[in-house]
Amino acid sequence: EPEVTQTPSHQVTQMGQEVILRCVPISNHLYFYWYRQILGQKVEFLVSFYNNEISEKSEIFDDQFSVERPDGSNFTLKIRSTKLEDSAMYFCASSEAMASGNIQYFGAGTRLSVL
Amino acid sequence: GENVEQHPSTLSVQEGDSAVIKCTYSDSASNYFPWYKQELGKRPQLIIDIRSNVGEKKDQRIAVTLNKTAKHFSLHITETQPEDSAVYFCAASPRVGYSTLTFGKGTMLLVSP
Repeated sequence: EPEVTQTPSHQVTQMGQEVILRCVPISNHLYFYWYRQILGQKVEFLVSFYNNEISEKSEIFDDQFSVERPDGSNFTLKIRSTKLEDSAMYFCASSEAMASGNIQYFGAGTRLSVL
Repeated sequence: GENVEQHPSTLSVQEGDSAVIKCTYSDSASNYFPWYKQELGKRPQLIIDIRSNVGEKKDQRIAVTLNKTAKHFSLHITETQPEDSAVYFCAASPRVGYSTLTFGKGTMLLVSP
């Protein structure tokens, strides 16, 4: 069964450093998402992406965040200058279509630890 | 925006018992309600979903019910097994045309043999 793949599984970085989290969505999917989960809290939506542009973003997704699809397979989340409060599990997801009710498939996540 | 509340945060049952997890949502326009299961260290996986034009959906030992008037939906697991032990997340999705999922905080289900 096709899966969403995320790398690395765990990223440790110093405060102020830039990090790039990588995702390979399922190959025939067109919509891509990033969510995050701070330890002990809810999974929160960050951003959705379609046709090489952001479709929707939450309040969390400020100027420190950016997303890119640099090639036909990868989807990345960049945090320009990490803060302690960026420490969380980051999930990538993809779906075939955007209309409400289409299944989002999740990756296993990248645990980001900002020291 | 949408707010999803989930209860309980932890649920312990004996093998063979039933388990019920409840969620409420705030946005009456939400129309899609998936449930995800996340085993330790693994990805969230969809186990069942329901749309707002349906009141109940069943898949073997798992069922979901939806009460649109009261804005709540529940996951029912019958004849629980130790491999059902995981964190379960409910979610709600807003109006047609958007697919943002708003999640509940999760329920850790522990099934003892």
